[in-house]
Amino acid sequence: KQEVTQIPAALSVPEGENLVLNCSFTDSAIYNLQWFRQDPGKGLTSLLLIQSSQREQTSGRLNASLDKSSGRSTLYIAASQPGDSATYLCAAYSNSGYALNFGKGTSLLVTP
Amino acid sequence: DAGITQSPRHKVTETGTPVTLRCHQTENHRYMYWYRQDPGHGLRLIHYSYGVKDTDKGEVSDGYSVSRSKTEDFLLTLESATSSQTSVYFCAMGHPEGGELFFGEGSRLTVL
Repeated sequence: KQEVTQIPAALSVPEGENLVLNCSFTDSAIYNLQWFRQDPGKGLTSLLLIQSSQREQTSGRLNASLDKSSGRSTLYIAASQPGDSATYLCAAYSNSGYALNFGKGTSLLVTP
Repeated sequence: DAGITQSPRHKVTETGTPVTLRCHQTENHRYMYWYRQDPGHGLRLIHYSYGVKDTDKGEVSDGYSVSRSKTEDFLLTLESATSSQTSVYFCAMGHPEGGELFFGEGSRLTVL
């Protein structure tokens, strides 16, 4: 079974900082990896999807990278804003499974 | 238009009562999923469906059943609710192998 781990579990940064969220997975035979954002009491919003053949994806201030050989993905947030405060989840789909396997998330607080 | 909706959004029930949660999608996705989200456990797959009348178990399926009689509707049933089934339930649609998963807003269930 694919195991997904996210470090750190919580992070607090001042506004304007660039930051990196980490995700590791145990099965390198993945089809894709997806990053989500979850606001309190809300559902999950897809941020970025990286296919196994890709190394990174970018959307605005967000950049996600994928290194299958090391079993790692990172989400880079540039020039953080208080509105970025949320829980960020990564999830991997491997060809040994049938659904996305999720990490437990990183809770991000950006202070003004 | 959200594309995927869940009902009810909130429910309080008593132990031993049957409960059905409904997920409705308007995007004609073949694959649909039910996850539960609990503190300390993250998101865990309960059941999924890969077509009308085609369903399979996830990692935490005990005590749950599902049905899919139409492409657009995926029902999750707790035959006899227990306190351990107090959770937030999320429905999702989309095929993770090829693309993104999209989530509903969640259904918060409390079993007293």
